[in-house]
Amino acid sequence: EAQVTQNPRYLITVTGKKLTVTCSQNMNHEYMSWYRQDPGLGLRQIYYSMNVEVTDKGDVPEGYKVSRKEKRNFPLILESPSPNQTSLYFCASSIPGLKDVGELFFGEGSRLTVL
Amino acid sequence: AQTVTQSQPEMSVQEAETVTLSCTYDTSENNYYLFWYKQPPSRQMILVIRQEAYKQQNATENRFSVNFQKAAKSFSLKISDSQLGDTAMYFCAFMKPSTQGGSEKLVFGKGTKLTVNP
Repeated sequence: EAQVTQNPRYLITVTGKKLTVTCSQNMNHEYMSWYRQDPGLGLRQIYYSMNVEVTDKGDVPEGYKVSRKEKRNFPLILESPSPNQTSLYFCASSIPGLKDVGELFFGEGSRLTVL
Repeated sequence: AQTVTQSQPEMSVQEAETVTLSCTYDTSENNYYLFWYKQPPSRQMILVIRQEAYKQQNATENRFSVNFQKAAKSFSLKISDSQLGDTAMYFCAFMKPSTQGGSEKLVFGKGTKLTVNP
């Protein structure tokens, strides 16, 4: 089954404790991206990657890191989480090419709470 | 920078009726794509419909259609014969394709919460 898998789905952590949210897709997509969703703010892009070893900042990259060492995985790293990073996080991937531009396949979301 | 505005935080409609969700955007680009995504209570994001800016014809997907007004930078979603399963948060989104022709940054509006009442 074609899917984007995020882990963990739910996490409660404390300020300053490093954490990684993993994202893996099995569709051989070149494009992957991370979003955070907050009430009243919609989805905001954190980082995206057009291909392996190619990453770029989105609108809200502060406090986050990413890596793209292989095509299927795109982990989101919070080196020192703070309470303002409490949010719902989505990973998404997409097929390259004009035909399917913007048709993102989303993971099920990861609810992160930083105390 | 591109911005997307959804002016209706919440809307409700009776089952079987028609509802229109509004979206406006701001861009200086000529070539771009617009989308409506649906997020039901399960939180899963689902693509509803896509519109290429260079196409004058409005996109249609079954009960979902758009009214794309390029000059006015308006992109509304019409849901006909509303069903209970249409209850969800709806997000309008804008994308400028990359120079390689694939996906790039997708900018979302803040969303409209639609409730379909029985």
